[in-house]
Amino acid sequence: DTAVSQTPKYLVTQMGNDKSIKCEQNLGHDTMYWYKQDSKKFLKIMFSYNNKELIINETVPNRFSPKSPDKAHLNLHINSLELGDSAVYFCASLGGGVKVCNQPQHFGDGTRLSIL
Amino acid sequence: AQKVTQAQTEISVVEKEDVTLDCVYETRDTTYYLFWYKQPPSGELVFLIRRNSFDEQNEISGRYSWNFQKSTSSFNFTITASQVVDSAVYFCALREYSGAGSYQLTFGKGTKLSVIP
Repeated sequence: DTAVSQTPKYLVTQMGNDKSIKCEQNLGHDTMYWYKQDSKKFLKIMFSYNNKELIINETVPNRFSPKSPDKAHLNLHINSLELGDSAVYFCASLGGGVKVCNQPQHFGDGTRLSIL
Repeated sequence: AQKVTQAQTEISVVEKEDVTLDCVYETRDTTYYLFWYKQPPSGELVFLIRRNSFDEQNEISGRYSWNFQKSTSSFNFTITASQVVDSAVYFCALREYSGAGSYQLTFGKGTKLSVIP
């Protein structure tokens, strides 16, 4: 059973297009995240949602809009794609409860976005 | 200033050698959590270990061991008798409370380990 699943795994598209990446977790976790990993492997948080509410919104262009229809889903929509958006995007989730801080985040396998 | 510094960008070792990956962190919190993740060439992120700020016991798991020292703000990772399958990018990460019941994980820039047969 896949805990955190992202679709698609690969996304190749042209500059200027709008695209979405979907993420679903079946762990019953309260918090979900989006990370961007650039070509130098640097992993940086983009957004965090806790029970469908936006908690963290790092300095990300407003072309990126996360949407959380329910606690189990956090989708990432990107408008007007640019060359610099090429990266691997990881979704992650973290459970709730008293000991949540001590738990590891569960990561999806990543979505490799390539802009032509 | 970086919150998590992995000074070694790339390391190459010959199979069966021991190798230590360094991690230095910076935080003002008294309660925080440290993690190591492995990213093999296939790209997924694999959780290896977590440690909270109150537990300075070192840990050994097979060929892996971790040395946490609060006095030097370091959480180093040693692989003993390295194998080709250990070739990957290894990330150290720091978790701090970010408010509203949420925790933020900050990653170091990663150390790429290549184990040569």
